[in-house]
Amino acid sequence: ETGVTQSPTHLIKTRGQQVTLRCSSQSGHNTVSWYQQALGQGPQFIFQYYREEENGRGNFPPRFSGLQFPNYSSELNVNALELDDSALYLCASGRDRYSGANVLTFGAGSRLTVL
Amino acid sequence: GENVEQHPSTLSVQEGDSAVIKCTYSDSASNYFPWYKQELGKRPQLIIDIRSNVGEKKDQRIAVTLNKTAKHFSLHITETQPEDSAVYFCAASIFGNEKLTFGTGTRLTIIP
Repeated sequence: ETGVTQSPTHLIKTRGQQVTLRCSSQSGHNTVSWYQQALGQGPQFIFQYYREEENGRGNFPPRFSGLQFPNYSSELNVNALELDDSALYLCASGRDRYSGANVLTFGAGSRLTVL
Repeated sequence: GENVEQHPSTLSVQEGDSAVIKCTYSDSASNYFPWYKQELGKRPQLIIDIRSNVGEKKDQRIAVTLNKTAKHFSLHITETQPEDSAVYFCAASIFGNEKLTFGTGTRLTIIP
């Protein structure tokens, strides 16, 4: 059973640029969520994808967007980067509620630095 | 929306002693409470969780208690070991909903 993998592990961008982060879900999982973890803070929910559609969103502006692909992998896109977007971005996969499971498996994250 | 508060922010205990971390939540609809351990530079890993239909759950040296009336839940680690040193996060959600609301974390240091 493979775990959740994310890429890239680290990246540096400048203000105003755009970034795409990628995530491969754990085998057998069909949902994916993205979280932002600022330094010294707990993860904050960005959004969840299920059946290739956004299925819940946290308090993040529209410049944060995502995709889920038929193979359950996912992308997080952030446009017009701001300094405050510097954080660790965590992807978590799980199984839908109808499978009776709620346990999320997190990836190791992508650390984004915006200069 | 849900708000989760976690205390203390840092905790140091002697090896072999017990550690307790406490969290409170605001949304009475929340019914699923996981705890995650995050070592430096690594991913959060689920160590134990509890659903609101039980008041306590144990797994070897780790236990979680839940008081639904008071809206608080606690993590108890007994016989602490150096490898328990990490940041611990509590979280709350509605079971089946992957929107976890996390606490701000507790940095636990085990003193040999």
